[in-house]
Amino acid sequence: EVQLVESGGGLVQPGGSLRLSCAASGFTMSDYWMHWVRQVPGKGLVWVSRVNGDGMMTDYADSVTGRFTISRDNAKNTLYLQMNSLRAEDTAVYYCGRGYSSSSIAPWGQGTLVTVSS
Amino acid sequence: DIQLTQSPSSLSASIGDRVTIACRASQSISTYLNWYQQKPGIAPNLLIYETSRLRSGVPSRFRGTRSGTEFTLTISSLQPEDFATYYCQQSYSSPLTFGGGTKVEI
Repeated sequence: EVQLVESGGGLVQPGGSLRLSCAASGFTMSDYWMHWVRQVPGKGLVWVSRVNGDGMMTDYADSVTGRFTISRDNAKNTLYLQMNSLRAEDTAVYYCGRGYSSSSIAPWGQGTLVTVSS
Repeated sequence: DIQLTQSPSSLSASIGDRVTIACRASQSISTYLNWYQQKPGIAPNLLIYETSRLRSGVPSRFRGTRSGTEFTLTISSLQPEDFATYYCQQSYSSPLTFGGGTKVEI
């Protein structure tokens, strides 16, 4: 069974850093693009970033470019999102997802909540 | 960035109703439009990809169509488990973008 499990969320002060992890199982992670998507509770979905199978191609939303870095360790079947210079507006549930056909996303992990507040 | 405008933002329907949700793209995205269902407190679930391709395991009452830059998700006969929020997403170009969502309520 394909499974994605995020971890690393929590409370962090503005300007701080956090690293999210997404542990993948049930498939060969190196065969797939992987994505991060976030959602403010009660609001809509916002795509954050993606990385290709070997980690050499990455893509970001304008709002996080220069502050967030996506990476992966295929040997550990783990996807990462390093988040620096965090702002209150980064507060959201962060989901990881596997690339499906033509950059659709399936499945998704259960999400991890990041709260940026003093 | 490509904007996706969903309508309506919410709708009320009954079991057995035919429901239609629209998603308009701000420019041509070919057929690179995907639909997701999300229930409260749960991660989104991909229903349809590339405009009209049903993901394995998704009931056939869900159907996606396209007319130019207008895309439509139709649920032919609404079931109790279909009450949820639906999002469209374009995967034509980066940054990937989502529509604002349509909440389907009783």
